[in-house]
Amino acid sequence: GAVVSQHPSWVICKSGTSVKIECRSLDFQATTMFWYRQFPKQSLMLMATSNEGSKATYEQGVEKDKFLINHASLTLSTLTVTSAHPEDSSFYICSARSSRSADTDTQYFGPGTRLTVL
Amino acid sequence: QQPVQSPQAVILREGEDAVINCSSSKALYSVHWYRQKHGEAPVFLMILLKGGEQKGHEKISASFNEKKQQSSLYLTASQLSYSGTYFCGTESVQGAQKLVFGQGTRLTINP
Repeated sequence: GAVVSQHPSWVICKSGTSVKIECRSLDFQATTMFWYRQFPKQSLMLMATSNEGSKATYEQGVEKDKFLINHASLTLSTLTVTSAHPEDSSFYICSARSSRSADTDTQYFGPGTRLTVL
Repeated sequence: QQPVQSPQAVILREGEDAVINCSSSKALYSVHWYRQKHGEAPVFLMILLKGGEQKGHEKISASFNEKKQQSSLYLTASQLSYSGTYFCGTESVQGAQKLVFGQGTRLTINP
């Protein structure tokens, strides 16, 4: 149990285009999902917290108009990188926090999406 | 504020033990441990909650000293599959939900 999927696994796009990344909890409902960005050999940096049915909460320094987050259901959150530029190239990972009472403190990570902007 | 992990890297031979530490300057509600292999997502290992927990699964265990705001991960009789980067994620307030991750500890296990 507690499987989180991401799609796509990798994407290469041209500068100026927008890219959408999906994060799904496959076998549990996630009231809260998180989006992280990880540069090579660095730690996971939280970008935003996404709650179902409400606006995302962005971390300081993260542009909410550039990284659009939508959490339309208890199993799906999407991250759209708008007008992507080469400096946005990174490994984007989502995680989901289960709404099950037994393990509400645990975050389960998706497999990640590697974005390369040319 | 980001917790500090030590050591930054460690190289072991198969069968040796390792300890990875995670220290925070803030009071903690919980500490989460993950292992990440190159190019893959972090895999959940265990969570320790306020109250001075210790946990273990097979040959991996962890402790949480909330007074010292520290947690340690113990790897016993390491296996090749233990190689990877270990991250601790800390939660300062119950219900805050978001985790702040340490910089990671790269563990290499050689045959």
